Amino acid sequence: AQTVTQSQPEMSVQEAETVTLSCTYDTSESNYYLFWYKQPPSRQMILVIRQEAYKQQNATENRFSVNFQKAAKSFSLKISDSQLGDTAMYFCAFKGQGAQKLVFGQGTRLTINP
Amino acid sequence: EAGVAQSPRYKIIEKRQSVAFWCNPISGHATLYWYQQILGQGPKLLIQFQNNGVVDDSQLPKDRFSAERLKGVDSTLKIQPAKLEDSAVYLCASSLLTGVSEKLFFGSGTQLSVL
Repeated sequence: AQTVTQSQPEMSVQEAETVTLSCTYDTSESNYYLFWYKQPPSRQMILVIRQEAYKQQNATENRFSVNFQKAAKSFSLKISDSQLGDTAMYFCAFKGQGAQKLVFGQGTRLTINP
Repeated sequence: EAGVAQSPRYKIIEKRQSVAFWCNPISGHATLYWYQQILGQGPKLLIQFQNNGVVDDSQLPKDRFSAERLKGVDSTLKIQPAKLEDSAVYLCASSLLTGVSEKLFFGSGTQLSVL
């Protein structure tokens, strides 16, 4: 079974700084997607960015980018020029070709301080 | 477009009572998911529907949890009888299709407290 591990329960940075959230996963599948979701206090999961395993180029969405290391099974999220609105829980998630269900990590609580 | 709608937003019950949650997915989305998110943890899939058929319910505690998706649109998740450990946020999500690349859209969830 696939597992997703986020080793940082909480992180805190100052506004405008860059922060990196870590994620590792375990799978034997070759075709899969990795996702980062943001969950603000409203509880609604919002997709931040996603990466297809077959693509070598790291995904980028405005201030958000990933560092995808397939051999190491690592998928970190970098937030540049952090903003107060980035304060939320961040979940790393995996979806494989086999089970095709979204498997989440335990989450990282990110706080952006003014 | 309208998002995934869930109700109620909060529910407080005593143990051994029953409770039901409702979800209305995005129009046209064939796949619907119910996730359980216990405080401090990531969401865990309880059940996945493709139209009105069950695709995966391997982690649904079937002795007390049940779910249905009549007519392949709205869905209801029921717990009977509830236990203290059922206290969690229940998230509903939908996607247009089922596939490894499909994007899931989530509702705001129902926060259940079992006393």
